[in-house]
Amino acid sequence: DAKTTQPPSMDCAEGRAANLPCNHSTISGNEYVYWYRQIHSQGPQYIIHGLKNNETNEMASLIITEDRKSSTLILPHATLRDTAVYYCIVAGGTSYGKLTFGQGTILTVHP
Amino acid sequence: SAVISQKPSRDICQRGTSLTIQCQVDSQVTMMFWYRQQPGQSLTLIATANQGSEATYESGFVIDKFPISRPNLTFSTLTVSNMSPEDSSIYLCSVYTQAHNEQFFGPGTRLTVL
Repeated sequence: DAKTTQPPSMDCAEGRAANLPCNHSTISGNEYVYWYRQIHSQGPQYIIHGLKNNETNEMASLIITEDRKSSTLILPHATLRDTAVYYCIVAGGTSYGKLTFGQGTILTVHP
Repeated sequence: SAVISQKPSRDICQRGTSLTIQCQVDSQVTMMFWYRQQPGQSLTLIATANQGSEATYESGFVIDKFPISRPNLTFSTLTVSNMSPEDSSIYLCSVYTQAHNEQFFGPGTRLTVL
């Protein structure tokens, strides 16, 4: 079973920030939070990951709550090309590389 | 980031035949994996491709059906054997890089079995 819970779908206006939530209340101390997205059944694209601190890269920001039971992926200025399925995954410890994908969130960016 | 290529990108096969999918990485990686994505579904891990030893399969997947080779740290193959229409899926190679604790996926091989 997936260890995360995400809303099935979200909408966002082009140019606005897209905030995608994820609940992972059973995360253990050595597990990371990973975010991927998949566009048109291409291979999943790595976005960002974090352990307990907030992270930012050229694609997005990851905000992890202090208790680590939830996180939010932020796309600061969404474009139409950001329309995709976004997956939040927790992994680590002895399961490095063995990612359990849930159903993800279908993000639709509209003009 | 690791750059991963897969061959073929897609294929249409007859039932009862076998197809071997190749995965090539542009750098040496410790861990390689094979995933499957059935139509309309999310990704499922098939197995871990171990260099120099037999692959480690997840529950529901067996070596006779999905034999895997990994002759070196940059290359792996997955064979889908004795195919049936239920094997129609996208098959994806993935690598984990310990240096940055990151994992990347190849573009996938779209397989249709008639």
